[in-house]
Amino acid sequence: KQEVTQIPAALSVPEGENLVLNCSFTDSAIYNLQWFRQDPGKGLTSLLLIQSSQREQTSGRLNASLDKSSGRSTLYIAASQPGDSATYLCAVYNTNAGKSTFGDGTTLTVKP
Amino acid sequence: GAVVSQHPSWVICKSGTSVKIECRSLDFQATTMFWYRQFPKQSLMLMATSNEGSKATYEQGVEKDKFLINHASLTLSTLTVTSAHPEDSSFYICSAIVPYRTSRGREGRNEQFFGPGTRLTVL
Repeated sequence: KQEVTQIPAALSVPEGENLVLNCSFTDSAIYNLQWFRQDPGKGLTSLLLIQSSQREQTSGRLNASLDKSSGRSTLYIAASQPGDSATYLCAVYNTNAGKSTFGDGTTLTVKP
Repeated sequence: GAVVSQHPSWVICKSGTSVKIECRSLDFQATTMFWYRQFPKQSLMLMATSNEGSKATYEQGVEKDKFLINHASLTLSTLTVTSAHPEDSSFYICSAIVPYRTSRGREGRNEQFFGPGTRLTVL
């Protein structure tokens, strides 16, 4: 059974800092890994998708890496802004299971 | 990205009534949709996988007779919470997979797109 862990559970940083969110998973036989953002009371917004054959993806100030063999992914946020405050979730999709498993999320607060 | 809608966005009902939630893929066809439930300050818990033209696959511990799922077309899946009780109050979110064969410039990505969620409150 796939288990996904996100560390830290919460993070508070001053505006402008670069930060790293971590995601680890136990079953490395994944099809892809997706990072999402969730604002309070809202649905999920897809940030980055990394296929199992890829090592990283970039979108603006966001960079996600994937090390499938060690079961780890990181989401790097450069020059953080107060608008980045949200809960960040990672999810791994296993083809054999036909579904995604989510981590518990990291709640990020960026202080102005 | 692909757009998934949900209706209603929120609903308040009395205990014992049934509530239907719709999930639609607006600009693509989705053979597979997922239904999740999220309690406050917790992550998403997969309830079931909805497959067009066949029965849904429920996760362990999810009552299929209580949470009825119908994937009637390639763009619509519905979740009906039957005889709702206060403990069913939660945030229900659906997602759809952008299918491999329709590409849209993202062939093989199998990316999930989520609806905005439905807040259910059972009194």
